Amino acid sequence: DSGVTQTPKHLITATGQRVTLRCSPRSGDLSVYWYQQSLDQGLQFLIQYYNGEERAKGNILERFSAQQFPDLHSELNLSSLELGDSALYFCASSEGGGGAFYNEQFFGPGTRLTVL
Amino acid sequence: AQSVSQHNHHVILSEAASLELGCNYSYGGTVNLFWYVQYPGQHLQLLLKYFSGDPLVKGIKGFEAEFIKSKFSFNLRKPSVQWSDTAEYFCAVKFSGYSTLTFGKGTMLLVSP
Repeated sequence: DSGVTQTPKHLITATGQRVTLRCSPRSGDLSVYWYQQSLDQGLQFLIQYYNGEERAKGNILERFSAQQFPDLHSELNLSSLELGDSALYFCASSEGGGGAFYNEQFFGPGTRLTVL
Repeated sequence: AQSVSQHNHHVILSEAASLELGCNYSYGGTVNLFWYVQYPGQHLQLLLKYFSGDPLVKGIKGFEAEFIKSKFSFNLRKPSVQWSDTAEYFCAVKFSGYSTLTFGKGTMLLVSP
């Protein structure tokens, strides 16, 4: 158990819908990272938040957005869902913001999203 | 753009065989290097990491990796695999100036008993 929790574990929805994925980081960790894992694209970084502020952006679609709340949990919002959005979405957390000194990222169990 | 490539998508070995998984990255600057493992149905776990110093890094569960700067490589090795090593292995790189990790596409290792 990494200490990072994600809910829900599984999500099945239809095209065009909107869903929210939730992540709670390890106690004391200020950074939250979101990744998408799919068979064709592999594990891709989406976005990072550090202490409530957006720190880095990766291959995140405009239909996707995220935020980090004052209690440091984060939510990833996916809207206008398409079949191709079906994937495993991982959240990770680290103590620091990354920067010059790397802080190990601890991964959650993931949310499996299926879009029908 | 920086990228990370893993040579093998699937590897099948018998127990006690030796393992070497390749990882290369495309960047000439300072990097931090990592290998993660994902057991079936579980989250990613860090196997080992390289920041600086001795290019031969030892990790958990008998794994090691060697950083060869001239070849931009960070190959993962284990002298004798076990059935319990069946998992997907990801190479990841933190490129200088970036706060996040870039992952390779992963190598699925199947160890037959």
